[in-house]
Amino acid sequence: SQQGEEDPQALSIQEGENATMNCSYKTSINNLQWYRQNSGRGLVHLILIRSNEREKHSGRLRVTLDTSKKSSSLLITASRAADTASYFCATAPTPGKLIFGTGTRLQVFP
Amino acid sequence: EAGVTQSPTHLIKTRGQQATLRCSPISGHTSVYWYQQALGLGLQFLLWYDEGEERNRGNFPPRFSGRQFPNYSSELNVNALELEDSALYLCASLGTSGHNEQFFGPGTRLTVL
Repeated sequence: SQQGEEDPQALSIQEGENATMNCSYKTSINNLQWYRQNSGRGLVHLILIRSNEREKHSGRLRVTLDTSKKSSSLLITASRAADTASYFCATAPTPGKLIFGTGTRLQVFP
Repeated sequence: EAGVTQSPTHLIKTRGQQATLRCSPISGHTSVYWYQQALGLGLQFLLWYDEGEERNRGNFPPRFSGRQFPNYSSELNVNALELEDSALYLCASLGTSGHNEQFFGPGTRLTVL
């Protein structure tokens, strides 16, 4: 079964708007990672947040982590058409095994 | 630095045949992971190889197997193909940061007719 579940499943916004997607997970973690997947291609690592961190920034990305609620959020500010992709959270409940969430499909319209 | 490479890009097989997919990790990476991404589904963990050994396996039947070679490249074999094996197969190599960051290849699209 999936360790993480993303919400919403799909999101459509206009360029310039912010996009927020959420991830919930089930077990304790050392870190949580977010990946992007352009249509039918491999995943690209975006950002990693450790379990002792609450917030992390990378460019237009902001990730928060609430270990008490077992949830994380990814915020993309000032979205662009090129941000159109699927976004996955991933956790490693056991060493060497990365479990991916169900993904959020983001569509940014120009 | 070259990224993770996979071959072939596309593979079309018929039911009952065997498929072999190949992956080369980033230079210096010794761990290789395989995932299956069927249409409409998320990524399902298949196999993890490290230093030539299978370290972990997902919930897949034994007809999914693989190996890792001394140069750390890897092969995924799927025997007795079934229609539901049609999927994007992704390979990833493990970064050296110690945080389980994985670097993905572009994938092999397997279609079983």
